[in-house]
Amino acid sequence: QQQVKQSPQSLIVQKGGISIINCAYENTAFDYFPWYQQFPGKGPALLIAIRPDVSEKKEGRFTISFNKSAKQFSLHIMDSQPGVSATYFCAASIGTSGSRLTFGEGTQLTVNP
Amino acid sequence: GAVVSQHPSWVICKSGTSVKIECRSLDFQATTMFWYRQFPKQSLMLMATSNEGSKATYEQGVEKDKFLINHASLTLSTLTVTSAHPEDSSFYICSARDPVQGMGYGYTFGSGTRLTVV
Repeated sequence: QQQVKQSPQSLIVQKGGISIINCAYENTAFDYFPWYQQFPGKGPALLIAIRPDVSEKKEGRFTISFNKSAKQFSLHIMDSQPGVSATYFCAASIGTSGSRLTFGEGTQLTVNP
Repeated sequence: GAVVSQHPSWVICKSGTSVKIECRSLDFQATTMFWYRQFPKQSLMLMATSNEGSKATYEQGVEKDKFLINHASLTLSTLTVTSAHPEDSSFYICSARDPVQGMGYGYTFGSGTRLTVV
């Protein structure tokens, strides 16, 4: 019930291409879905987040698509550049003040120059 | 934006000694902080939830006596790895929630602490 499944485990795209990472969840009580970017040796940094009352949110080259009925959400990275090569984690939580984040397994993205 | 400062960034200690890691919320008050452990090429594993002024809540399988958590103020939580052994070597990350950030659910992470026990 608390799991968030993420795929693919690793992804290689060419510079300028579109990177797509998918996540699925089971717990319908989740109401906050963030994506985090993590560089080696650093803590995760929030990229973009969405709530289930919105189907899409865009910030720069990053877009979250959310499908409530399918219990799935995805991250799209447009015009991928080598600088976005990192590990990406999706997550979910229930919006109470002390609620934990449940993380996906992570996707290691490599953008080839 | 909300900033969480974690110190030290890396530490090497001898087997059997204790190590303390600090996590501070710099510009907001955090009644709740979270401590994670991350092994190479793996996801973040929640170790415990730290609550200001009360005992931490540990996840199943996490040894309370080995990983001591203290959250004595609204801006500081500490994780002490006691009697460290090589298998405790890992990347430890704290996170705090700023209740007024963004949609009200903003979680900010520290930069992590690389612990190596030799």
